[in-house]
Amino acid sequence: NAGVMQNPRHLVRRRGQEARLRCSPMKGHSHVYWYRQLPEEGLKFMVYLQKENIIDESGMPKERFSAEFPKEGPSILRIQQVVRGDSAAYFCASSTSVLTDTQYFGPGTRLTVL
Amino acid sequence: DAKTTQPPSMDCAEGRAANLPCNHSTISGNEYVYWYRQIHSQGPQYIIHGLKNNETNEMASLIITEDRKSSTLILPHATLRDTAVYYCIVRGARQGAQKLVFGQGTRLTINP
Repeated sequence: NAGVMQNPRHLVRRRGQEARLRCSPMKGHSHVYWYRQLPEEGLKFMVYLQKENIIDESGMPKERFSAEFPKEGPSILRIQQVVRGDSAAYFCASSTSVLTDTQYFGPGTRLTVL
Repeated sequence: DAKTTQPPSMDCAEGRAANLPCNHSTISGNEYVYWYRQIHSQGPQYIIHGLKNNETNEMASLIITEDRKSSTLILPHATLRDTAVYYCIVRGARQGAQKLVFGQGTRLTINP
């Protein structure tokens, strides 16, 4: 049973470009969560999605960041016009629809903005 | 969600039991205690969770005090590969409480 998959594992962008990070949840999981870890800092929640719905985006920066989880395909975290401060590790987690179910994390995408 | 307090760092000798404490004095009745660890810069790895009773799995044991205000994660026979940052997280079961709130965790170093 494959775990949570994220790609790319490493992404380099120049300031002003767009970054697209993908997350495929574990088989049977319909909920996806995105977390960000800035250098030398802890993990911070960004957004929680079900298929075609954003449930909680309280941790998302107000501008340039968006997330989706379409009916088919992976969840996408999109960062427009990246700045150096966006350089971080972005982790995706998934769970079933049970409220108390455990979140399992992917290996992360390391974004570097030059 | 209740806040947790953990020591910033701990050391343990290889082969010995590692006991990692966590205080969560404001935990409410329907909140679970979860433990994750992050080895170097990898994705967080789920270890164990519990509500009231002590729990054990192939990785660790979780001891929760009767008043639920604190807990201890036990790695029974620590190896060098258990060196990681360990996070104790309290998480609710209600709608809207699914996000995990990570603190600074405990940096556990296993020494040969």
